[in-house]
Amino acid sequence: GQQVMQIPQYQHVQEGEDFTTYCNSSTTLSNIQWYKQRPGGHPVFLIQLVKSGEVKKQKRLTFQFGEAKKNSSLHITATQTTDVGTYFCAGLRHSGAGSYQLTFGKGTKLSVIP
Amino acid sequence: DTEVTQTPKHLVMGMTNKKSLKCEQHMGHRAMYWYKQKAKKPPELMFVYSYEKLSINESVPSRFSPECPNSSLLNLHLHALQPEDSALYLCASSQEWGLVKNIQYFGAGTRLSVL
Repeated sequence: GQQVMQIPQYQHVQEGEDFTTYCNSSTTLSNIQWYKQRPGGHPVFLIQLVKSGEVKKQKRLTFQFGEAKKNSSLHITATQTTDVGTYFCAGLRHSGAGSYQLTFGKGTKLSVIP
Repeated sequence: DTEVTQTPKHLVMGMTNKKSLKCEQHMGHRAMYWYKQKAKKPPELMFVYSYEKLSINESVPSRFSPECPNSSLLNLHLHALQPEDSALYLCASSQEWGLVKNIQYFGAGTRLSVL
């Protein structure tokens, strides 16, 4: 079945440092979504990437979708304590006969040291 | 209104109990989902309902029984659960179950403990 690998599992950064998390799929994806889950909270949608090579920015966050639509990254510039949480990617692909498969990566837990 | 409401927030049940989790959305979404999330793990898809019909059952044990009474409501009936079923159960909805309009809006979840 489809696998979505996400690294690193944990990242501790000093406030103001940059942070990047990477997702890699074993199969070509139709799209990829990114979610953030704060401690004790629920996942909240951040962005969806659909096109090959797509790059989207949200303030200090930059999202990329690879040319082959198999990998994606989320980069945060100058982290703040409000960025703390676990970031998940979720890959969607067509699995045949009108069916779809949505697979979450294992997440990267970001800690920011003030 | 971009909210998915789940009740109860917390639930403790014995292995012989029968209980139900409830989920409601009023965004006009036609797809609704149940996920299970264990600590420090990603959400694990259990069921997908599309236009009130069960589209995906990810080989979930029969002690979990989903129900979609109408396009706004989703229930998860629990019976004879095991302690390893203790987890956060998340409901989500999206415009559709498909390749584009499937952005997941999650509820706050029900934290379930099975004793």
